Amino acid sequence: DVKVTQSSRYLVKRTGEKVFLECVQDMDHENMFWYRQDPGLGLRLIYFSYDVKMKEKGDIPEGYSVSREKKERFSLILESASTNQTSMYLCATLMNPGSSDTQYFGPGTRLTVL
Amino acid sequence: ILNVEQSPQSLHVQEGDSTNFTCSFPSSNFYALHWYRWETAKSPEALFVMTLNGDEKKKGRISATLNTKEGYSYLYIKGSQPEDSATYLCAFSGGSNYKLTFGKGTLLTVNP
Repeated sequence: DVKVTQSSRYLVKRTGEKVFLECVQDMDHENMFWYRQDPGLGLRLIYFSYDVKMKEKGDIPEGYSVSREKKERFSLILESASTNQTSMYLCATLMNPGSSDTQYFGPGTRLTVL
Repeated sequence: ILNVEQSPQSLHVQEGDSTNFTCSFPSSNFYALHWYRWETAKSPEALFVMTLNGDEKKKGRISATLNTKEGYSYLYIKGSQPEDSATYLCAFSGGSNYKLTFGKGTLLTVNP
């Protein structure tokens, strides 16, 4: 079974703080993803990484950066948190982008920015 | 911008009822259609990955069909149980599974 863990289930931060959200997977998957989920919207892709030190912007990268120094760990960074970044953040992994595979998700981090 | 629509937005059924919901997606550049179940306080769980027009997949009481030509997929739950209560998400991928475009989900509540 794929295990994807996220460092916190709930997080409260203040506007302007630098925030790190961590995701760790134990299945040696090449690809990792960060999404956010907001009420009334589908999950939206922020960034993904297809290899160590490699990253690609998703649909809504503004205000975020990422870091992938090791294969198993993918970090999402909010350089200066703002209230509109209050959201549920989900990490996912993917072994193979081929058609029969799918993404595996962590439990999410609910971030509140005050 | 890709449009993936799910209907209904929410659904309340009684235990034992069978139910179904719809996911519609672009019919061009189709690669795969993914269904997930997301229970409160848990990780979204993959149910099915569907790739071929006419595909039908089954997992216990849950099944899904796919029509890529007209751009829709149905998810069926037979004999709903309270533990089926969850948000059901579909996601379209066009080209590869790197980029999934998600619908807003259908929230199913099964009353005992």
